[in-house]
Amino acid sequence: GENVEQHPSTLSVQEGDSAVIKCTYSDSASNYFPWYKQELGKRPQLIIDIRSNVGEKKDQRIAVTLNKTAKHFSLHITETQPEDSAVYFCAARIVMNRDDKIIFGKGTRLHILP
Amino acid sequence: NAGVTQTPKFQVLKTGQSMTLQCAQDMNHNSMYWYRQDPGMGLRLIYYSASEGTTDKGEVPNGYNVSRLNKREFSLRLESAAPSQTSVYFCASSSRTGLTDTQYFGPGTRLTVL
Repeated sequence: GENVEQHPSTLSVQEGDSAVIKCTYSDSASNYFPWYKQELGKRPQLIIDIRSNVGEKKDQRIAVTLNKTAKHFSLHITETQPEDSAVYFCAARIVMNRDDKIIFGKGTRLHILP
Repeated sequence: NAGVTQTPKFQVLKTGQSMTLQCAQDMNHNSMYWYRQDPGMGLRLIYYSASEGTTDKGEVPNGYNVSRLNKREFSLRLESAAPSQTSVYFCASSSRTGLTDTQYFGPGTRLTVL
């Protein structure tokens, strides 16, 4: 079935360095790609999203890029800080049954090293 | 605004017991979802409801039933719990605006089946 692949599953970066998380999707009709952050013991929360009609979006230290031809999108975090330590989920809208739904990747656990 | 609320927060069941997880949202959203989260498996969609009066299966519906009681409430029922259903369950709601479809999650229910 339609799915979203996310890599890596775990990522450790030195504080101040950049982190990149990559996702691929299979449904060529997908047109919306959100990213969620989940801190330990908390609920997932949206941090940034991108629509298929743009190739890049930035919000302070985070940015997302989208390559529709290759069907992949990435999250970039610059100047990482301790509070960036969390699990990050990418997602894509896919068509399921009569509706389109958001399907999540398996997550990336990001560790920011002091 | 309470957002999305879930009850209970924690539950321990014995194999074969039944229970219902409750979810309510006060954001007037049309769509509601139930996910389960297992280590290394991300967020997997169990059932969703695109609007009041409709429900559909997601990726992992076996062993579960749902009821969209009204626009605010969406419940998940385990008729005969199994150890494989030990997980953290998240309810979410969303209201699509154009291509954007932000999901708001509840705090989660940690379920253990012995």
